[in-house]
Amino acid sequence: AQTVTQSQPEMSVQEAETVTLSCTYDTSESDYYLFWYKQPPSRQMILVIRQEAYKQQNATENRFSVNFQKAAKSFSLKISDSQLGDAAMYFCAYSYTQGGSEKLVFGKGTKLTVNP
Amino acid sequence: EPEVTQTPSHQVTQMGQEVILRCVPISNHLYFYWYRQILGQKVEFLVSFYNNEISEKSEIFDDQFSVERPDGSNFTLKIRSTKLEDSAMYFCASIQTRENTIYFGEGSWLTVV
Repeated sequence: AQTVTQSQPEMSVQEAETVTLSCTYDTSESDYYLFWYKQPPSRQMILVIRQEAYKQQNATENRFSVNFQKAAKSFSLKISDSQLGDAAMYFCAYSYTQGGSEKLVFGKGTKLTVNP
Repeated sequence: EPEVTQTPSHQVTQMGQEVILRCVPISNHLYFYWYRQILGQKVEFLVSFYNNEISEKSEIFDDQFSVERPDGSNFTLKIRSTKLEDSAMYFCASIQTRENTIYFGEGSWLTVV
């Protein structure tokens, strides 16, 4: 069964500092995608970053980058120069194909607090 | 940037009433989804829809739930007889196969009283 585990229910960081959110997943698939979604208090799900499993190079998106360790099935998110607007729930998600459609499995989320 | 739109943003309904949540997926997307997030919990898959039929559904998606795409643009989730435990944020999502990135709408917050 595909599962996604986020071991940190809550994290905090000082404004302008760097924080890393952890995520591990379990799969027997070789072709899949990994995502980090941000959910601010408005509860909208916003895509932060995406990683294709077949790519060795870690994805980056401005201040957001990932450390993708395929063998270890680890997919952590690093936020550099943290800003107050980064405060949100962050969900790690895994996407795979089943029955001809893509399916997302989410972790339980990490609540990030940014302290001024 | 294209986006998935959902209506209503918030609905309060009496237990036992029927509710229809509406979604307009991104126009060139082929697969459509409904996900649910009960307050304080993780996002859960409900159902996927492709080529005008359900391609997969979870155990949550029982006979009280139905989906349809009546006019080629709207994608609706109907809950026939709401229960208190149906209170949740319902997210519509769509995907264009090649990109393999699922885009979410802003969610419809359903409160059953």
